[in-house]
Formats: sequence, C-alpha cells, structure tokens
Amino acid sequence: GAGVSQSPSNKVTEKGKDVELRCDPISGHTALYWYRQRLGQGLEFLIYFQGNSAPDKSGLPSDRFSAERTGESVSTLTIQRTQQEDSAVYLCASSSSTGGMTDTQYFGPGTRLTVL
Amino acid sequence: GQSLEQPSEVTAVEGAIVQINCTYQTSGFYGLSWYQQHDGGAPTFLSYNALDGLEETGRFSSFLSRSDSYGYLLLQELQMKDSASYFCAVRDLGNTPLVFGKGTRLSVIA
Repeated sequence: GAGVSQSPSNKVTEKGKDVELRCDPISGHTALYWYRQRLGQGLEFLIYFQGNSAPDKSGLPSDRFSAERTGESVSTLTIQRTQQEDSAVYLCASSSSTGGMTDTQYFGPGTRLTVL
Repeated sequence: GQSLEQPSEVTAVEGAIVQINCTYQTSGFYGLSWYQQHDGGAPTFLSYNALDGLEETGRFSSFLSRSDSYGYLLLQELQMKDSASYFCAVRDLGNTPLVFGKGTRLSVIA
C-alpha cells in the first residue's frame, strides 16, 4: 500500500483480556515504531525495530506489552491482561531509516483501544 | 534522556501569524522536527531543522538555534484548517526513534 496501515481501527475489550494490534509499514521501510497516545496527550514511545537489529524496547511500560516484527514487514503489538489504563490510541510509524538525520516518520491511522 | 517543552495551548485569529516555541534537552542532537495532528488523525510531518536558521515551506516556517536548544514553528496567514495539535520532536542519536513533546493545541478563531 501507499501508506502505513493498522488494524483494527477500533478495539473494545474487557479488562484482563489479551489484544493484538497489527501494523503494515510502507514497503521498503526498514524502521518501525510503536507509540501510545492517551486522549489529549503527546506521543509516548513504546518500541522501535530497525532491520535485523535487536529492537529497542525501552519504552514498553510493563512486561504485559510485547511486540514482534516479521523481517522488515508486518509488526504485531500484544498487550496481555489489559487494564483500563491501557486505553489509548496506538500509533505505528515507519521510516526508510537510512541512518541519516532526515528520516521522516510516516504514521498510520492508529488503533483506538478501549478497555472496559 | 531527552525532554521537550512546548506550550499546551495557543489561540490565534484567522489570517494572523502564530509562533509555537519548543525547547529541548538531549544528550546528543540529530535535528528538530515538527508534526501536525488533526483531531482523530495521525501525525504528519511538517518540517525538519538540522542546522541553525529558518526553513520555509509555504505558509509554514521552522527555526532552530542549537546553541539555545530552542526552535519554533511559525504559521502565517492562518486558516481555520490549521486548527490542530503541533508536536516538536527530536532524535538524539542516529537510528533512534523520535521523542515527541506533549504538543501544542492551536485553535484558529474567526
């Protein structure tokens, strides 16, 4: 596709359930990022994948959060035993990440997660 | 680590000029970026400054002073559609993710 896509666009779940959020980056983009954005707040970095390097997981808020990436394509963010405070929009972004300074991050439309 | 400060809200009149400031603290510095986000939408890239000075793109300009760890986004000839949140972001090392400020909500009024 032409841009970053995410699915589902909306997810409502019950507290304690596990959820999986999917991100399809722009084809050819080696870098992929996940951010969380609570209502009216800024973007909170969660995790970063760059090619075959070990992911930067420094932003994951707890061990309930994990993410995987298949090669340089699809990524899945998994939240286990969801809590109400996990309710937010989860944004995925990708960049060509040639290592240069001007790498622009292109964002997907996000997944709005609501934990009841 | 990194931290960025920007005003939480700004209101301006249609047709006017508005400046949104951003100060940052980083261990390294690989440039200052600005992103726009409309309500319910995804952030979109506006501009990038790696060197001191002003970068102009149409009605939008962005300025950077590395010695002052300061930058701003300047929006001219404001239009109602410019009402959105504006985020400054920095990357302190190559091949690292952007760190975003908390955003400035711009309201353009008639």
